[in-house]
Amino acid sequence: SYELTQPPSVSVSPGQTARITCSGDALPKKYAYWYQQKSGQAPVLVIYEDSKRPSGIPERFSGSSSGTMATLTISGAQVEDEADYYCYSTDSSGNHRYVFGTGTKVTVL
Amino acid sequence: QVQLQESGPGLVKPSQTLSLTCTVSGGSISSGDYYWSWIRQPPGKGLEWIGYIYYSGSTYYNPSLKSRVTISVDTSKNQFSLKLSSVTAADTAVYYCARAFGGSLAYWGQGTLVTVSS
Repeated sequence: SYELTQPPSVSVSPGQTARITCSGDALPKKYAYWYQQKSGQAPVLVIYEDSKRPSGIPERFSGSSSGTMATLTISGAQVEDEADYYCYSTDSSGNHRYVFGTGTKVTVL
Repeated sequence: QVQLQESGPGLVKPSQTLSLTCTVSGGSISSGDYYWSWIRQPPGKGLEWIGYIYYSGSTYYNPSLKSRVTISVDTSKNQFSLKLSSVTAADTAVYYCARAFGGSLAYWGQGTLVTVSS
């Protein structure tokens, strides 16, 4: 089955840059999406189609994708950005098979 | 503003069928642009895509759950539903419904915890 691999954790000091990677074989051909999930809450879409930011998401969140890796960057991380982050994409079968990444806990301290 | 709300039993016995409904408000489930999704999250673990349905009834499922999952839609009630059969403790999770546009899950329900236990 298709897998998207993320680092388990990333730590950053307030104001610094956090980068979260997502590795998957189909990413050269399929978009990556990124979700932020704070404790006890439903996930929130922060990046769609590799690099687009939904309305209301702060500009410090950005996304990119190159080859088999997609990256979520939080530039100037804030304490309120501490959360779990998941990438999300589909495999190359064309059969609408979506999968979430393994998840990354971002700590800002 | 679109809102989604999950409902259903919070406790299911092993081997039985888990049944949940998602009620959509603020928009029509028949709009044609969206897929109506189910996602789950076991306690302390990551998110898992279960599957989704188009208003016409076309369904797409996670291959690992496909043999046990049925997603259906009731356009007259603006609802869609999840059935998961032969549940075990491993199916204990928070279950979310969400609206999908491609891979964009922009609207989610608050989630409902379903515990599988005798």
